[in-house]
Amino acid sequence: KQEVTQIPAALSVPEGENLVLNCSFTDSAIYNLQWFRQDPGKGLTSLLLIQSSQREQTSGRLNASLDKSSGRSTLYIAASQPGDSATYLCAVAYGGATNKLIFGTGTLLAVQP
Amino acid sequence: EAGVAQSPRYKIIEKRQSVAFWCNPISGHATLYWYQQILGQGPKLLIQFQNNGVVDDSQLPKDRFSAERLKGVDSTLKIQPAKLEDSAVYLCASTQLRGGRYNEQFFGPGTRLTVL
Repeated sequence: KQEVTQIPAALSVPEGENLVLNCSFTDSAIYNLQWFRQDPGKGLTSLLLIQSSQREQTSGRLNASLDKSSGRSTLYIAASQPGDSATYLCAVAYGGATNKLIFGTGTLLAVQP
Repeated sequence: EAGVAQSPRYKIIEKRQSVAFWCNPISGHATLYWYQQILGQGPKLLIQFQNNGVVDDSQLPKDRFSAERLKGVDSTLKIQPAKLEDSAVYLCASTQLRGGRYNEQFFGPGTRLTVL
């Protein structure tokens, strides 16, 4: 069964700290992996997409890595800010026919000012 | 570029009533998805369309849920009759093929359904 797990479920850090969110998946034959941010009561905002042939993607203070052999991805946030507080979701797509995303349950991040 | 639009944003109904949600994807996106997100969980795919054809509806409870995308653009998702366990946020997403590969999925704001 293809499953996606995110650890920790919740994280609280002081402003300015660098942090890492973890995502693991059971089946390494992925098509792509996408990281999202979800604010309370809102939809999902796409942060980064990593194709199966890529090892990492960067956008501003965000860097996502992909290690298919170990079934892991990490989202690195540099110099965290209170505005980064949200739930971060990792989603894995298997099979190029559908690109159906299988989501983890998310990490709730709180950045304290 | 306009994002994915959804309406209504909120809906409260009683069990056994019917409800419909509407989605307008990003212009030019041929692939459209409906996901269900129960509180505290990640979204789960209900149905996927490619233009006006269904690609995957394996997780759609077909005895009560239906969806259509008649002209390959807008889509509606209907629940009839609703159950208490259908209380969730219903998210619509769209994407496009680029260079033969799927690009990232973009999500709408969702419709929060409460079934009493």
